[in-house]
Amino acid sequence: DADVTQTPRNRITKTGKRIMLECSQTKGHDRMYWYRQDPGLGLRLIYYSFDVKDINKGEISDGYSVSRQAQAKFSLSLESAIPNQTALYFCATRGGFETDTQYFGPGTRLTVL
Amino acid sequence: GQNIDQPTEMTATEGAIVQINCTYQTSGFNGLFWYQQHAGEAPTFLSYNVLDGLEEKGRFSSFLSRSKGYSYLLLKELQMKDSASYLCAVLDSNYQLIWGAGTKLIIKP
Repeated sequence: DADVTQTPRNRITKTGKRIMLECSQTKGHDRMYWYRQDPGLGLRLIYYSFDVKDINKGEISDGYSVSRQAQAKFSLSLESAIPNQTALYFCATRGGFETDTQYFGPGTRLTVL
Repeated sequence: GQNIDQPTEMTATEGAIVQINCTYQTSGFNGLFWYQQHAGEAPTFLSYNVLDGLEEKGRFSSFLSRSKGYSYLLLKELQMKDSASYLCAVLDSNYQLIWGAGTKLIIKP
């Protein structure tokens, strides 16, 4: 079984709709991240969480919100989706040491029409 | 500002050697990562360098020069399955990962 899972894997929605992307992990990591990836732009950090009570904005948090329901679960919401939020979204986790590598989920491809 | 530069795309021949460069300007430095990402898939960890020098791991090696703000990933005995994007990422002074846009590597038979 995968250590980091994301649902849904693909989603097509319309402008103005509320969307939730979910991430679960079995690695026991406290740190979790949400990124979006656009062609030619690399990975950009949306939000990150160091534990259930610690949520932080990344470089592109506008238009997004998150919820850390438990150590293992970190959800990303688009309150009112817009077309320029069409992207590949990745959840990632990291261990307790600052230099630990990040482990990524399989990604969610979101299309906003 | 923080900046990481990598070539957008490179082409190489099966069985050959290729070097993918990465230069960085960041606020502080706590290490540099290389990840491999096949199209439509998640990035996977390849290497981590925090000290100057070459780290070898099978067919892949990674080099770091902190004074020059420079790293490269060296891939030997290229195989078709090495066709992927290679992402360079730097851990800055706040231990946040700053990502390059990635280098798409195309392997030709």
